[in-house]
Amino acid sequence: RKEVEQDPGPFNVPEGATVAFNCTYSNSASQSFFWYRQDCRKEPKLLMSVYSSGNEDGRFTAQLNRASQYISLLIRDSKLSDSATYLCVVNPPGNTPLVFGKGTRLSVIA
Amino acid sequence: SQTIHQWPATLVQPVGSPLSLECTVEGTSNPNLYWYRQAAGRGLQLLFYSVGIGQISSEVPQNLSASRPQDRQFILSSKKLLLSDSGFYLCAWSVDGSTDTQYFGPGTRLTVL
Repeated sequence: RKEVEQDPGPFNVPEGATVAFNCTYSNSASQSFFWYRQDCRKEPKLLMSVYSSGNEDGRFTAQLNRASQYISLLIRDSKLSDSATYLCVVNPPGNTPLVFGKGTRLSVIA
Repeated sequence: SQTIHQWPATLVQPVGSPLSLECTVEGTSNPNLYWYRQAAGRGLQLLFYSVGIGQISSEVPQNLSASRPQDRQFILSSKKLLLSDSGFYLCAWSVDGSTDTQYFGPGTRLTVL
């Protein structure tokens, strides 16, 4: 299994739809997890951190399933401005750098 | 608050020319610093990271090098650029002693012709 694996998409959804992305990770000892958002030709920006079972911020919900080693990101009531690539990121054990997934591309269509 | 700067924003260089990209962080002390490359349509590739002045860990052997001459300054260099060095170069920082949340600079888009 790759360290961090994501479906590359693209996910094409209409405005107002609910969309979910899954991400799997290989190191069961990983302690913290993140979702970053990257707009086209821009730097990644932190969207959410996940340290326990999940996190919610407005329309965005992240959930962690340690037993199955996956993290999900749910976006409710999609907006055109949500169109971006979403990067799943895992913090492996020990003092080693974060591991980034290759990203899932989302296009929200009017 | 902390800010991270990178320059230049874009760069076009001929094959075989040298490279120097600079990254500086403000508002924090002894940050961990990182250099990433993102080729067109690809994921982030960690190139180097540093936990302190003069301490550099290389993740991928290649014709690039990194240096950290000051606490909040991180430099990416090459003596001779290759076509395959083209990409989006991103600098990032995390809090001293932590490999947790990273914050990225605006990046440098390098085209090698």
